Amino acid sequence: DAGVIQSPRHEVTEMGQEVTLRCKPISGHDYLFWYRQTMMRGLELLIYFNNNVPIDDSGMPEDRFSAKMPNASFSTLKIQPSEPRDSAVYFCASSLRGTGAYEQYFGPGTRLTVT
Amino acid sequence: KQEVTQIPAALSVPEGENLVLNCSFTDSAIYNLQWFRQDPGKGLTSLLLIQSSQREQTSGRLNASLDKSSGRSTLYIAASQPGDSATYLCAVRTRSGGSQGNLIFGKGTKLSVKP
Repeated sequence: DAGVIQSPRHEVTEMGQEVTLRCKPISGHDYLFWYRQTMMRGLELLIYFNNNVPIDDSGMPEDRFSAKMPNASFSTLKIQPSEPRDSAVYFCASSLRGTGAYEQYFGPGTRLTVT
Repeated sequence: KQEVTQIPAALSVPEGENLVLNCSFTDSAIYNLQWFRQDPGKGLTSLLLIQSSQREQTSGRLNASLDKSSGRSTLYIAASQPGDSATYLCAVRTRSGGSQGNLIFGKGTKLSVKP
């Protein structure tokens, strides 16, 4: 398996622009997670899905952030409008309930810079 | 609210030394604990996962222990090598009714193994 795939790997945009990050989970996994990593706050869970349904979005910082999972093999995280404080590395992860351990597998991340 | 702390934040050791990384958490009601490795500019790689009912897990030169009652876990690395240089993150999975719970991460220990 190719693992969790994220695109783009790097994104530089100007304040006010819309940003869309993409994720393809490991085939067969039924949980998908979006995290944000900054030096100050470390890794924080933004939202997670189970069987394409959002379960917990309490980590989404504000209404400018939205996430969708239209099918089992694709998810997006959108920021509109973007702000400099959104600059961070965004990770997508997936896991499979069937293992009983919910071990999460992470993608390589998208480094977002908002100028 | 669950909090995860990793001490030290950074560690530098000579090659060949055995070392221990520490992780502590405030709420002992966890589902499991996972140790990750993160290389610069890369995603997270899962190293070991310990279920709440287990005391330790081993993989090669790595051994992770869990003491739920005291809220502590350690990652032991035997005969360290320069290739072990990375940031090591500890994460606990909380229990929450009806869901698999979320991963709460520490801020990591940055390990540097000198040749």
